[in-house]
This record gives sequence, C-alpha cells and structure tokens, in this order.
Amino acid sequence: DGGITQSPKYLFRKEGQNVTLSCEQNLNHDAMYWYRQDPGQGLRLIYYSQIVNDFQKGDIAEGYSVSREKKESFPLTVTSAQKNPTAFYLCASYPGQGKPANTGELFFGEGSRLTVL
Amino acid sequence: QKEVEQDPGPLSVPEGAIVSLNCTYSNSAFQYFMWYRQYSRKGPELLMYTYSSGNKEDGRFTAQVDKSSKYISLFIRDSQPSDSATYLCAMGSSNTGKLIFGQGTTLQVKP
Repeated sequence: DGGITQSPKYLFRKEGQNVTLSCEQNLNHDAMYWYRQDPGQGLRLIYYSQIVNDFQKGDIAEGYSVSREKKESFPLTVTSAQKNPTAFYLCASYPGQGKPANTGELFFGEGSRLTVL
Repeated sequence: QKEVEQDPGPLSVPEGAIVSLNCTYSNSAFQYFMWYRQYSRKGPELLMYTYSSGNKEDGRFTAQVDKSSKYISLFIRDSQPSDSATYLCAMGSSNTGKLIFGQGTTLQVKP
C-alpha cells in the first residue's frame, strides 16, 4: 500500500542535541512538506520541497534544516538552535506539480512526537 | 490577529446529534476551503474540499462557505462515536499556494 512513513513515532532528546526525523513516501509525489502541530496553534509550515534538490523555508524554519536528495525522502533535522522543539511533527506530500491550495489534498504521515527533556 | 480562527472546543455531543464546526478568516483572497479530520495520534486526512462559496454534501457531512461573511462551517448529521476526532479547517489561495490551518476543534460523540 502506498503511503507516508514517519519515524520514529516517539523521540526524546536532551537539550543541546540535534535530532533527525525521517519521512519516506512511496506515492511518487513530487512535493513534500513538514508541519509542526502544537496545542491551540494548528499546523504551521516548517519547510517544503517541490522537487528533488530544492526546498524552501516555511513560516517557522528557524532552528530546523532539511534535505531532499531523493524523491522519496525528506528528512527534518531539529537543531539545538530551535528554542522550543517539543511538538508533534507531521510530514505530508502532494501529488501535483502545482500548489496544494489549488486542490487541497495533502497526504499526511502519522507523525513523530518529539519531547525535549 | 490570526488569519484563520477556529474554536478549539472541546465539543461533546450525544450520538445522533447534529454537529456544527466553524471557522472564520480574515484574508479575502482565500478561494479554496477544506476540512481535515485527525484521529488521536494520527495524521490529518482530507474530509471535504470546496472551491469558493456554496455548499457541498458528502453523506452525513456538509461543508458550507460564506465568502461575504468570511465564515465556513462543517455540519455532521447523525453523529457517531467514530466521528470523535479533531477537525481542522484549512484554506488557501492560488496566489501563495499555501494552506493556512485553523487550530482544530476536538469533538467527542458519546454513545
């Protein structure tokens, strides 16, 4: 079955450590996205990539980094520069070449919950 | 002021009730309106999509958009315990191509 796989589901990190969240899709989608979800805040866009080897900052990119070396993979690194990294992180993909607002259907993974101790 | 406002709830209703979920927005350029459903500890999934103003019905679900009032609604008829989830509104415009999400409303339907 096609879908988006995020790992790990749960991750604990000490302050000052970088962590990398994995996102893999076998839907053959060109565009991939990372969102952060906090209680009472909705989903906020961190980074997105519309094509391999290219990505753009979203609304809250500070303290995060990404890479897009393969179409199937879009890992997110939460660096020690991120002041408040405890959150639920969602990876999504979009099938079209255009922008997701035009059709609305983002396909989401099941998320990774990061807790900083 | 947030671009999209959604009452976070929680909203608790008995099984069979009609549920109304709402969002208001400030950006008149928004043309595309969606509702996503998110079960606990899962990713959101698209439930309803509407372009511009009007109503759209899909089974027990009806999405309504009133662009003049900058207000969108999702109605759930004959609500079921399986409808218990968080409902997120989202909207966008072809200018930016970016989706803006509401905060989400948590719904519990009690048997």
